[in-house]
Amino acid sequence: GAVVSQHPSWVICKSGTSVKIECRSLDFQATTMFWYRQFPKQSLMLMATSNEGSKATYEQGVEKDKFLINHASLTLSTLTVTSAHPEDSSFYICSGKGNIGYGYTFGSGTRLTVV
Amino acid sequence: QQQVKQSPQSLIVQKGGISIINCAYENTAFDYFPWYQQFPGKGPALLIAIRPDVSEKKEGRFTISFNKSAKQFSLHIMDSQPGDSATYFCAASILTGGGNKLTFGTGTQLKVEL
Repeated sequence: GAVVSQHPSWVICKSGTSVKIECRSLDFQATTMFWYRQFPKQSLMLMATSNEGSKATYEQGVEKDKFLINHASLTLSTLTVTSAHPEDSSFYICSGKGNIGYGYTFGSGTRLTVV
Repeated sequence: QQQVKQSPQSLIVQKGGISIINCAYENTAFDYFPWYQQFPGKGPALLIAIRPDVSEKKEGRFTISFNKSAKQFSLHIMDSQPGDSATYFCAASILTGGGNKLTFGTGTQLKVEL
């Protein structure tokens, strides 16, 4: 089946630094990539939607200059958390969707801890 | 209009029992209803999904029941096992010209006891 590889699985960074999270679709072309964040014992909150080659569309309340999303190819999308602060600590998950079939394939998530 | 309501918030079931999780939606434009299973520290994994043109879909021990008129759908886990202990999310999206965003329910923490 479809697989989305997400790296790193966990990262600890210092406050003020930037962190990049990568998601690669291994066996399908992800024309759309969704980025979520999830707090403990809560549901997934959509941050942004990106279509390959286009600028990402951010959900209300999500700072686009802080959470930079790049979807330059059909198999790679990245989320960069810029000038990270402790309140950015969360579980970030990507989800890819191709044109074929209906499924949304989720990555395994990245646990970000900002100290 | 985009909300998906899920209940219960948590559920404890004995091994071998039936786990039932319910969801209700408001937006009649939704045309894809998946259920996801998530273990701690992992991303969600698709369990089973249904389109609104059928009332029930079964895959192994997992069954979705769909009631279009009531705008409700539910997940039934038959013969529940301790390995089924996880968080379950229902979701809905508009696949046809709707931008494809998934709207998630709030989640149900299932614990299957021996």
